[in-house]
Amino acid sequence: EAAVTQSPRNKVAVTGGKVTLSCNQTNNHNNMYWYRQDTGHGLRLIHYSYGAGSTEKGDIPDGYKASRPSQENFSLILELATPSQTSVYFCASGGPGLGSSYEQYFGPGTRLTVL
Amino acid sequence: GDSVTQTEGQVALSEEDFLTIHCNYSASGYPALFWYVQYPGEGPQFLFRASRDKEKGSSRGFEATYDKGTTSFHLRKASVQESDSAVYYCALGFPSSGSWQLIFGSGTQLTVMP
Repeated sequence: EAAVTQSPRNKVAVTGGKVTLSCNQTNNHNNMYWYRQDTGHGLRLIHYSYGAGSTEKGDIPDGYKASRPSQENFSLILELATPSQTSVYFCASGGPGLGSSYEQYFGPGTRLTVL
Repeated sequence: GDSVTQTEGQVALSEEDFLTIHCNYSASGYPALFWYVQYPGEGPQFLFRASRDKEKGSSRGFEATYDKGTTSFHLRKASVQESDSAVYYCALGFPSSGSWQLIFGSGTQLTVMP
């Protein structure tokens, strides 16, 4: 069974603070993705990665950085958090790996509130 | 740019009703089309995909047919159950590095009453 985990599941941060969201996958997938989910916008791609050491900008990368130190781990970093970044964040993995499906598998999400 | 439009933000039905959720897309190339479902407190999960014109995708009683002429991929189910209550996302995707680069619609909240 494909598995993607995220931590923390809930986070409250202050404006101007640094926030790091973590994601781990055990699917041996090359590709990993960070999305944010907002009412009326669905899921929007922030950053993605093709493998360890690579990060690429998605559709809404401003205010976010990403880090992929290993095949299994992909982090999303908010250096200076703002209230507009209050959202639910989802990590996903995809690609050849465990099983034959090439679809994206999502984690359970992190609810971030920036005060 | 490429985009997906889901016209219904919310749909409320009773058990055994027929479901249609509309999905239209705009794309410069020839994308694959997807439906994902998200249950409360969980991440989206893949429901099914269609990759070419007139192809039907289906899973768990849900189905949709890729229609390039009308640029649509409407989700249908003949008889919904309370357990189908969830948010449904239509998406288009292009192959990328062994997986898919996805663009999602805004989602449709389905509520099924017993």
